[in-house]
Amino acid sequence: DADVTQTPRNRITKTGKRIMLECSQTKGHDRMYWYRQDPGLGLRLIYYSFDVKDINKGEISDGYSVSRQAQAKFSLSLESAIPNQTALYFCATSDHHGLRQFFGPGTRLTVL
Amino acid sequence: TQLLEQSPQFLSIQEGENLTVYCNSSSVFSSLQWYRQEPGEGPVLLVTVVTGGEVKKLKRLTFQFGDARKDSSLHITAAQPGDTGLYLCAVVGNTPLVFGKGTRLSVIA
Repeated sequence: DADVTQTPRNRITKTGKRIMLECSQTKGHDRMYWYRQDPGLGLRLIYYSFDVKDINKGEISDGYSVSRQAQAKFSLSLESAIPNQTALYFCATSDHHGLRQFFGPGTRLTVL
Repeated sequence: TQLLEQSPQFLSIQEGENLTVYCNSSSVFSSLQWYRQEPGEGPVLLVTVVTGGEVKKLKRLTFQFGDARKDSSLHITAAQPGDTGLYLCAVVGNTPLVFGKGTRLSVIA
């Protein structure tokens, strides 16, 4: 079984809809991250959490929110989706050293 | 914020050729990582380089960390179609990893 799972793997939605992307991990890591990937722009950090009570904004947090429900779960929400949020979204985890990140398989989100 | 420049952005080569991709910054790195991302998957760590001038080998892949700790290179010998993917460098520091934009490699059989 995969150590980092993301649901859904693909989602098509309409402008203005609320969307939640979920991430679960079985690695026992404290740190979890959300990135988006766009062609030519690489991986950009949206939010990260170093433990259950810790939430930090990343480079591009506007339009997104997160919830760390437990050590193993980190959800990303788009309160009102817009077309320029169409992208590939990755969840990642790392131990408390943060030296190596383990990525989920990604969620491809399309906002029409 | 450290800015990482990766070059080339795209590279298409024939099977059996050698290639080198680069990762550069205006700042000094504490350490640097290389990840490979295959289509439809998340990035996977290949190597971490820590010491200036360090060279690490992983089968046909050779990673080098510059003496000044501001640049790194990845050399692939006798590329194979299975090497196709996006190669990302990332800087390790006190904050979450900062990734370059990547080099997209296509190896044609």
